[in-house]
Amino acid sequence: AQTVTQSQPEMSVQEAETVTLSCTYDTSENNYYLFWYKQPPSRQMILVIRQEAYKQQNATENRFSVNFQKAAKSFSLKISDSQLGDTAMYFCAFMNSNTGKLIFGQGTTLQVKP
Amino acid sequence: DTAVSQTPKYLVTQMGNDKSIKCEQNLGHDTMYWYKQDSKKFLKIMFSYNNKELIINETVPNRFSPKSPDKAHLNLHINSLELGDSAVYFCASSRWGQGTGSYEQYFGPGTRLTVT
Repeated sequence: AQTVTQSQPEMSVQEAETVTLSCTYDTSENNYYLFWYKQPPSRQMILVIRQEAYKQQNATENRFSVNFQKAAKSFSLKISDSQLGDTAMYFCAFMNSNTGKLIFGQGTTLQVKP
Repeated sequence: DTAVSQTPKYLVTQMGNDKSIKCEQNLGHDTMYWYKQDSKKFLKIMFSYNNKELIINETVPNRFSPKSPDKAHLNLHINSLELGDSAVYFCASSRWGQGTGSYEQYFGPGTRLTVT
């Protein structure tokens, strides 16, 4: 069975600084997708970034980038130039492309301080 | 226009009652999902439907019954509500199964269910 682990329950960062959230996963599949979702206090689930396992290049979306290490089964999220609006809970998620099922990590609560 | 919508956003009811949550998406997706987020914020899939057919049915009590009248709608009916059913329920949709290779899921705003 696939599992996703986020080992940092809470993190904080000063505004304008950089922070990295960790995520590891376990799977025997070769074809899958990885995602980071953001859940602010409004509780809306917002897609931050996605990575296809077959792509070696790390995904980037503006201030958000990932470090995808397939052999190590690691998928960390780097947020550059942190903004107050980045304060939220961040979920790492794994999707097996055969089933379309998302498996989430436990989440990391990120606080951006002014 | 809201991509994935859910009604109601809040639902307070007593134990033993039956309630439904409705979900609609206007993204043209073939696959829809229900997730449950518990009090510790843990998200777990409950069901998924592809083109009105049940694809995923996780270990969920029989009191929960999804219904997909068409590809754009997926409703969740819950019978004999229990205290432990209190949670936030999210609907989502994606292009999974449509062969586009773009499988990210888009979520509705969630329904906070409180059973007293």
